[in-house]
Parts: sequence; structure tokens; C-alpha cells
Amino acid sequence: AQTVTQSQPEMSVQEAETVTLSCTYDTSESDYYLFWYKQPPSRQMILVIRQEAYKQQNATENRFSVNFQKAAKSFSLKISDSQLGDAAMYFCAYNFKAAGNKLTFGGGTRVLVKP
Amino acid sequence: EAGVTQFPSHSVIEKGQTVTLRCDPISGHDNLYWYRRVMGKEIKFLLHFVKESKQDESGMPNNRFLAERTGGTYSTLKVQPAELEDSGVYFCASSQVLGIVTEQFFGPGTRLTVL
Repeated sequence: AQTVTQSQPEMSVQEAETVTLSCTYDTSESDYYLFWYKQPPSRQMILVIRQEAYKQQNATENRFSVNFQKAAKSFSLKISDSQLGDAAMYFCAYNFKAAGNKLTFGGGTRVLVKP
Repeated sequence: EAGVTQFPSHSVIEKGQTVTLRCDPISGHDNLYWYRRVMGKEIKFLLHFVKESKQDESGMPNNRFLAERTGGTYSTLKVQPAELEDSGVYFCASSQVLGIVTEQFFGPGTRLTVL
């Protein structure tokens, strides 16, 4: 069975600084996808960034970037130049086509941004 | 374009009662997913519709849960009779094409409290 683990229940970061969220996963699949979703307080979950396992290059979306280590099954998210609007729950997730694209989630990391 | 909507946003019911949750996916999205998060644990997959057909219902906890998607548009998730352990947040998500991995768009969730 596939599992996703987020070992940090909560992280705090000063505005304008950088924070890194960790995520590890376990799978026997070779073709899969990894995602980071953000859920702001009382708002909908939105996709922050995605990574295809077959791509060696780490995905980047503006201030968000990932460090994808396939052999280690690690997929961390780096938020640079943190802003107050980055405060949210962040969920790491995984899926693969043969499973109908259903997502397997980690337990989430709450990010607090201090002004 | 309207996003995924869910109704109600909150529901408080007594143990043994029935509750029906509704999800309206983004127009044109054939794939509809139900997930739930109970008491700060991981978000767990419940089931997946492709149009009106159940593609995968492996995550449904037991036969007290019944999901439908008549006409391939909106979906309902009925819990009958509700138990205390059913409390949590129920999320709905939709996506376009099955066969390639596409982004799932999430609704705001329905918070269900069973007393």
C-alpha cells in the first residue's frame, strides 16, 4: 500500500524567510505523481505544485520549489520569501494512473507566518 | 467559472440520524472524488465516479455510506445511520480527463459533527 508521511505537524517562519516542509512516501510504482496542496483557513484546498516521477528536474512555481529525491522517496517543499498569505495547512499527496488518479495524502503540516 | 461547491458547509446531527451531503463539480468534469478527514488524521479517499459510474469505491468505510451521481452531474453522499466516528470533514474534488493525470479541484468541504 502507498503511504505518505509528513513528519512536521507545524512549522513557523518569519515573513520574508524560507521554510522547508518534508514529505516522504512509500510506493512500488515507477510511474507516479507527487503534489503539494495548500488549504488556507476556512478556504478550499488548492494545488501548489506537482512533480512527475519520471522527471529529474525539480518543479518550481514562483516562490515554491520542490526537492525531489526519487531514490530516497522524499519530496520536500521550499517556500521562499514567505508571505502572510502562505499561512495554511500544506498537504503532500501522491497518485498514479493505474489507481484512477485517487490521491493518497500525508497528515499535513500547518505553516505559521510571523510578521 | 464556478469552482467545486459543497452543501451544507456544516452539519450537526444526532447519532442514528441520516445526513446527505451534496457536491457540484466543475461543469464538464467527468471525474468526481469524495475524500474525508477525520479528527486531524490524513485525508482519506472514499470513492471515485467517472460520469455516473462508480469507478472505485474501495475507500467507503461500510454500507452505511451511499454515494450517487445521477446523470453524471452533481453527487450526493448519504450516511445512514450516522455514527460518532463519522464526524469529520468531507471533501469533494473533480477533474477532467481520466487516463492522464490532471489536477483535482477541491470543494470547501462539509464539516459533519455527529453527537
